[in-house]
This record gives sequence, structure tokens and C-alpha cells, in this order.
Amino acid sequence: GESVGLHLPTLSVQEGDNSIINCAYSNSASDYFIWYKQESGKGPQFIIDIRSNMDKRQGQRVTVLLNKTVKHLSLQIAATQPGDSAVYFCADNYGQNFVFGPGTRLSVLP
Amino acid sequence: DGGITQSPKYLFRKEGQNVTLSCEQNLNHDAMYWYRQDPGQGLRLIYYSQIVNDFQKGDIAEGYSVSREKKESFPLTVTSAQKNPTAFYLCASSPQTGQGQFFGPGTRLTVL
Repeated sequence: GESVGLHLPTLSVQEGDNSIINCAYSNSASDYFIWYKQESGKGPQFIIDIRSNMDKRQGQRVTVLLNKTVKHLSLQIAATQPGDSAVYFCADNYGQNFVFGPGTRLSVLP
Repeated sequence: DGGITQSPKYLFRKEGQNVTLSCEQNLNHDAMYWYRQDPGQGLRLIYYSQIVNDFQKGDIAEGYSVSREKKESFPLTVTSAQKNPTAFYLCASSPQTGQGQFFGPGTRLTVL
């Protein structure tokens, strides 16, 4: 498999528990944020996005929370499943492009 | 079946050789991007294109070149001037710049 994410922080959760993955960003002017999921050897997959005029957005089993005061973003995954095992990273916009975080590896324990 | 395709999945190159990575999208997106991904780091932007026949350098453009002759295609050439080319290369597209990007499956380049 790919060596991407070799030295990333890891979050281990029991199957069925909720997962919370955090991300800090540095650009106060960022107004659009995205969470991606990347499985080993594959390209990143768009999960959910949020704009700065919102604090919370929900999708299917996922919720993104945005705290602009402390420049913090979190991704909550409900009832974590083995298929959720992957690297998750956030992206925030600067100008026309995005800054991508290094990611967190989520490991789901049986 | 819409999406972004990259080929090949794995590529091996000898030092001193140029190599071209393919990226095609049928999403009718105007903007396309090339990123490099290394272990433990966030994606780094190599080049991007907002529209056909236009492209801009990203943060790490040295040793790379691109072309955008068709809306659907954005090939990346890794030249012999790139000092450390071994990496996972990702292509992405979005309707326009500043909007959410969708990624291809990636090409793993190894320089022997």
C-alpha cells in the first residue's frame, strides 16, 4: 500500500463508537472548509464541506463543526464502521486555492 | 460514468528521464490541479489551471511542467530537473477555482 500518512497522528476507536477528528487552520480569512477521506493507495474522497457563515453542518453519519474564534474544525463520525478506517484531512481556502492539513489516521478496532 | 482518471497507477523512471503523468476529467470542470503528496505532509500544489490554455505555478512548480490544450486534460511532466521526484501525484478538478475539488486515484512515481 501507499506510504502516505506514515507518520500521522492516529485515532483508534471501537467499532460502533463515535469518532471526533480535529483540525486547526491558520488563515483568518478562510471562509470555506472541506473534509476529505483517503484510503490507502487511493485519491482523497470529498466527505463534507462548510462555509464560514455556518457553525455546524450534518451529512449522513458525519457532522462538521466550525469554531472561527479559535480557528478550529472538527469532523464527527457516528457509529464508526470498519470501512471508515482511513486518513482524514481538512482543507481551507486561501484565495483561489486550498491549504491541506497533513491528516489523522482513523483506525477502527473490532 | 463521470469522474477523474489518472494513468498509470504506478510509474517507474530512471534518473535523468522526463516522464508525463496523465489526468483526464469528464465533469466539465473548468479548473484542474496537480498536487504532490509525501508521507506525513499535506498536499502541496504544483500547478493549477483555471481555464483552457491557461495555467499558473503553485507552491512547488520547480522541475515540473504542464499544458492545458483541452478542457478535459491536464498532463503533468516531471522533468529531470526535479530533485526529489519520487512521490504520490494527485490530480483534481473543480467547477471553478475556489470551489470544492474532486480528486483522481493518483499516480505513484518512483525514480530508480
